Amino acid sequence: SQTIHQWPATLVQPVGSPLSLECTVEGTSNPNLYWYRQAAGRGLQLLFYSVGIGQISSEVPQNLSASRPQDRQFILSSKKLLLSDSGFYLCAWSVRGGEYEQYFGPGTRLTVT
Amino acid sequence: GNSVTQMEGPVTLSEEAFLTINCTYTATGYPSLFWYVQYPGEGLQLLLKATKADDKGSNKGFEATYRKETTSFHLEKGSVQVSDSAVYFCALMYSGAGSYQLTFGKGTKLSVIP
Repeated sequence: SQTIHQWPATLVQPVGSPLSLECTVEGTSNPNLYWYRQAAGRGLQLLFYSVGIGQISSEVPQNLSASRPQDRQFILSSKKLLLSDSGFYLCAWSVRGGEYEQYFGPGTRLTVT
Repeated sequence: GNSVTQMEGPVTLSEEAFLTINCTYTATGYPSLFWYVQYPGEGLQLLLKATKADDKGSNKGFEATYRKETTSFHLEKGSVQVSDSAVYFCALMYSGAGSYQLTFGKGTKLSVIP
């Protein structure tokens, strides 16, 4: 069966520090991968998605970036965090090539102080 | 563009009460529709889905019917339990550049009290 992992689970970082969040998927190949942010009272916002290694599409301009160095690994990064980057970050995967549901990881709670 | 509108929460119900969470959508064509549930501190789990008009999705006692004429996908459960306390998200799937993507509503927080 397929599983999706995210780490760390919780992170507290000062403003201006770098960020690296990791997501890995097991039990499937060639998935579509997604990063979402959930801010208080604002629902889920799609940040990035990837249909293959090295292929990243950005939905929202910001100081975050994403990379996909391996087929089942998706990384969310920032060089300098802002207070507004605080939130709950969710990674998701879906089967590629069709209208398939997305499966979400457990999330990372990021607090920027 | 595509959008999903959910009823404002929070919703507080007593155990065994009937639940309805309204969801309407705006989209081009006929998207697939989903309900996801998020328990405290966790990621989202798919609750149910419907892929075409008049389809009914169901799971764990929850149901939702894809109504094309009213562009709605309301979530219902006949008798809620304390364990149903969570945030519920309605979503539609659309075709983006190279992949299918989800647009979510803002979520409705449900609290069920004994």
